[in-house]
Amino acid sequence: DTAVSQTPKYLVTQMGNDKSIKCEQNLGHDTMYWYKQDSKKFLKIMFSYNNKELIINETVPNRFSPKSPDKAHLNLHINSLELGDSAVYFCASSRMPGLADEQYFGPGTRLTVT
Amino acid sequence: DQQVKQNSPSLSVQEGRISILNCDYTNSMFDYFLWYKKYPAEGPTFLISISSIKDKNEDGRFTVFLNKSAKHLSLHIVPSQPGDSAVYFCAARGAYGGSQGNLIFGKGTKLSVKP
Repeated sequence: DTAVSQTPKYLVTQMGNDKSIKCEQNLGHDTMYWYKQDSKKFLKIMFSYNNKELIINETVPNRFSPKSPDKAHLNLHINSLELGDSAVYFCASSRMPGLADEQYFGPGTRLTVT
Repeated sequence: DQQVKQNSPSLSVQEGRISILNCDYTNSMFDYFLWYKKYPAEGPTFLISISSIKDKNEDGRFTVFLNKSAKHLSLHIVPSQPGDSAVYFCAARGAYGGSQGNLIFGKGTKLSVKP
């Protein structure tokens, strides 16, 4: 009965490869997010989707492409992986964007690019 | 440019005593503040929040204080328990413009509560 789940939990891959991380939430929330936690431990938002539509796109290379097939899923596809992409990626969801509402996070996906 | 700063990377407290975690912010447009708790290999979990129109919010052992003039908030945990040992993230919500609705996180403070 996990609220926000991500797969895989760990991902090790070589530079230049393309990989995807999947996220699903069973909370009935309308808004989903992707965050990146880099080596300096900052949690920074990458994307936000509301009802399958992109509403936030921070300064992220266009190698990163989120895809939301439905409200419960927000997948992250990364093309041409680089060493600097190594980080922990967290998916999150909330009832609605822009409201005084907490976000629920998934367990994270540790991506290592070699 | 860090808009949300947690200047203490770690804090060690004895069980039963008070833990005080501090957070400073630079943007006066932030209208909502949250604390998240994170255990290793897990995602952050929401702990407590406070609106900018309040100066205190309490939930059980956890109290958050907001000093808008100083752009400072703190999380008090009383009494501290070993299970409180985790990384605590302070987050602020942007109210206007491109940051509207975004949560901006600090780097976190690792709390260790010793039995």
